[in-house]
This record gives sequence, C-alpha cells and structure tokens, in this order.
Amino acid sequence: AQSVTQLDSQVPVFEEAPVELRCNYSSSVSVYLFWYVQYPNQGLQLLLKYLSGSTLVKGINGFEAEFNKSQTSFHLRKPSVHISDTAEYFCAVSSAGGYQKVTFGTGTKLQVIP
Amino acid sequence: DAGVIQSPRHEVTEMGQEVTLRCKPISGHDYLFWYRQTMMRGLELLIYFNNNVPIDDSGMPEDRFSAKMPNASFSTLKIQPSEPRDSAVYFCASSFKPGQGIFTGELFFGEGSRLTVL
Repeated sequence: AQSVTQLDSQVPVFEEAPVELRCNYSSSVSVYLFWYVQYPNQGLQLLLKYLSGSTLVKGINGFEAEFNKSQTSFHLRKPSVHISDTAEYFCAVSSAGGYQKVTFGTGTKLQVIP
Repeated sequence: DAGVIQSPRHEVTEMGQEVTLRCKPISGHDYLFWYRQTMMRGLELLIYFNNNVPIDDSGMPEDRFSAKMPNASFSTLKIQPSEPRDSAVYFCASSFKPGQGIFTGELFFGEGSRLTVL
C-alpha cells in the first residue's frame, strides 16, 4: 500500500517571498511522484513529475521539487511567489512498474498575500 | 488538442433523481479514471478503466453508483437514486502508457462536474 502526507493544509506567504510545500510518501516499492495544481473551479493540472534520473525536477510556472529517497519526501519549492500562484497543490504517488492506482495527498492551499 | 471534456459542469437535482455524468477522454488515451472531490474526504478514486474495461471499482461507494465505458471516447458515471451526501465535484481523468513503456500515473483531468443534490 502507498500513502501521501501533506503536512500543511494551508500556507500563507507574502508576494515575492519563497515558499516550500511539504510532501512525504510511504511505499514498499519504487515510486513515481507528482505535484498537481488546482485553481478555483478548475480541474487539476500537472506541475511537475519525478519518474527517474535527477532528483531535482523543474516544472511549470517556476516551481521545482526535490526527490529525497532517504527521507521519503518530495517537497515543492518556488523562490518567489506571485498572486497568481494562489491555488491548492496536491502531491501524488504511483507505484513504479506495478498497479496503476494513483494516490493523492489531502492538498495544501497556498494563499499569496499582496 | 482538446483536453478531457466533462458534462455537465454543474448539476442541481433533487434527492432520488437519477444523475448521469459524462466524460470524453483525450484521444489516444487508454486509461480513464473517475474521482470524487469533497472537503471532508479530498480526492477519492471511484473507478478506473483500461482499454474500456473496468479494472478497479473498489472505490465506488455503493450500488447506487455505476460507471460504463462503451467505447474509447466516452464514459458515464451514473448515480441512481441520488442522495444529498453525493454532493461533490466529480472529475474524470485520462492517461496513457507510452509505447511499450510503463504507465507512470500522470493524469490529465477534466474541469469537473459539480453535483448538488437537494
């Protein structure tokens, strides 16, 4: 079985400040990891993904995440946030090479303050 | 290219009525997923299909829920009879296995169908 924990349900941050959204996962097998963003009244869209290779993954809108196998973490970061980054962010995990189920975390609401 | 298309975007109905939600996946995608999103339970996987065949429906809440995929370009999620606790946003997502590769779990979501059962 696999699971995802997003430690913060809400993160307020001032515009142009850096932000880190935390994600930890649990799995008995190798994993693929994802971050999705959901803007109000919209579906989820992929921000970035880790499948293999470099542990530092760059995504859209200036976001990046680092896969840390020893700490089973996949934290999302952005050096300088904009008002338009206000949204809910979901971390997700799937098993590499196995069952196709994708497990989502409970989400973190990022509130960018002007 | 068109993304995943869901209809209706909003549905308000009364308890006991039948509700049908529709989804058109991205052309060429052979996986289709139905998720439900609520404040209390977050995103829940209801059922998923591979090549139009239901693979895992363990997330379907009860017999009132049913899903079909009659062809590669269309799927429905039906609730009969509907109840107020079914009020949620229902998402359809599709995906693919690249060539001879392995399914990674990257999902392409529609904009969702917001269901309100009074």
